[in-house]
Amino acid sequence: SQKIEQNSEALNIQEGKTATLTCNYTNYSPAYLQWYRQDPGRGPVFLLLIRENEKEKRKERLKVTFDTTLKQSLFHITASQPADSATYLCALGNRGTDKLIFGTGTRLQVFP
Amino acid sequence: GAVVSQHPSWVICKSGTSVKIECRSLDFQATTMFWYRQFPKQSLMLMATSNEGSKATYEQGVEKDKFLINHASLTLSTLTVTSAHPEDSSFYICSASPLGQSNEKLFFGSGTQLSVL
Repeated sequence: SQKIEQNSEALNIQEGKTATLTCNYTNYSPAYLQWYRQDPGRGPVFLLLIRENEKEKRKERLKVTFDTTLKQSLFHITASQPADSATYLCALGNRGTDKLIFGTGTRLQVFP
Repeated sequence: GAVVSQHPSWVICKSGTSVKIECRSLDFQATTMFWYRQFPKQSLMLMATSNEGSKATYEQGVEKDKFLINHASLTLSTLTVTSAHPEDSSFYICSASPLGQSNEKLFFGSGTQLSVL
């Protein structure tokens, strides 16, 4: 069955460092992959989308890579700030379907 | 960006009662809205796809008679949890994609925390 794995343990880093979160998937060939941010008791907020034919995408302090051979995406936040503390979800989607499959998320804690 | 409003943000009810949750797209129209359920520290699980003017499509294992979905207009979808039980306690979230755009980018509501006593 399709499976998406994200770091189950919380990631704690110091302010100013780069946070790197991983998303691994099996039994799936997504056409695109998305990253969302979710704060406690809130709905997810879209951050970035990367397609299967793209290796890397950037947006301000965010960078996403997509390796379809390794079946992995890495999500980087450079110059991290305490305000970046949240849970980050990856989600996979495919052509011809409206459905997104979400990972369990990784909680990021940036401390001063 | 597009805004999806979800109401109520939290609700407590007695076992056996029904609860209605509304999902509105405030500044765009959406022919399709999605309903998810999220248990603590778990992933968002798609429950059903709500289609304007037609029946919802439910995911495997989701009881359509228990989770009633109505998508009467291009800006409103409702989820009614009928005869709620404690095991239905969860965080329910809706999402939508603007009409004419692909579903590659979804806008989510703020979620509804349901607690059934």
